[in-house]
Amino acid sequence: GAVVSQHPSRVICKSGTSVKIECRSLDFQATTMFWYRQFPKQSLMLMATSNEGSKATYEQGVEKDKFLINHASLTLSTLTVTSAHPEDSSFYICSAKYPGDRGQKTQYFGPGTRLLVL
Amino acid sequence: ILNVEQSPQSLHVQEGDSTNFTCSFPSSNFYALHWYRWETAKSPEALFVMTLNGDEKKKGRISATLNTKEGYSYLYIKGSQPEDSATYLCALGPNDYKLSFGAGTTVTVRA
Repeated sequence: GAVVSQHPSRVICKSGTSVKIECRSLDFQATTMFWYRQFPKQSLMLMATSNEGSKATYEQGVEKDKFLINHASLTLSTLTVTSAHPEDSSFYICSAKYPGDRGQKTQYFGPGTRLLVL
Repeated sequence: ILNVEQSPQSLHVQEGDSTNFTCSFPSSNFYALHWYRWETAKSPEALFVMTLNGDEKKKGRISATLNTKEGYSYLYIKGSQPEDSATYLCALGPNDYKLSFGAGTTVTVRA
């Protein structure tokens, strides 16, 4: 149980284009999902918290107009990198809060998406 | 964002040997410490959630201890096997689910 998928696993795009990454909870409903970014040899950094049916909350320094998050259903959150530039090249990974985890606060992660902007 | 440090960054261990590594974190306002195992091209897998000072948890040959007063946790692998090769992440979690991760310790088990 508690499987999270992410699509695509890898994407290469031209500078100036937009890229959409999907995060799905396959066997549970996730009211809250999280988006992280990881640059080489650095730790996973939380970008934003995605709440079903409401606006995402972004961490300090993350541009909400640059990284559009939509959590339209209980099993799907999307991250769109708009007008991507080479400095947006990174590893993006999502996680989902598992309902009824008895306060364990465990997050279940997708396998991540490697974005390369040329 | 809380400062979480892991050491060493990487280590190599011979198959059958035991090893351990450290996660350090600020001891104030502690809520929970998470350990994840992350194999290449897979999703990070939750290993342990630790909340109480002195906690010790075990899953097979892997165990972890927690000292919240001094701000550290150790992860131990007993009798390492090739399938233990992975990056082990620790993350500090306040009560709002926002995890602050360390950069990980990458373990390579040599046959």
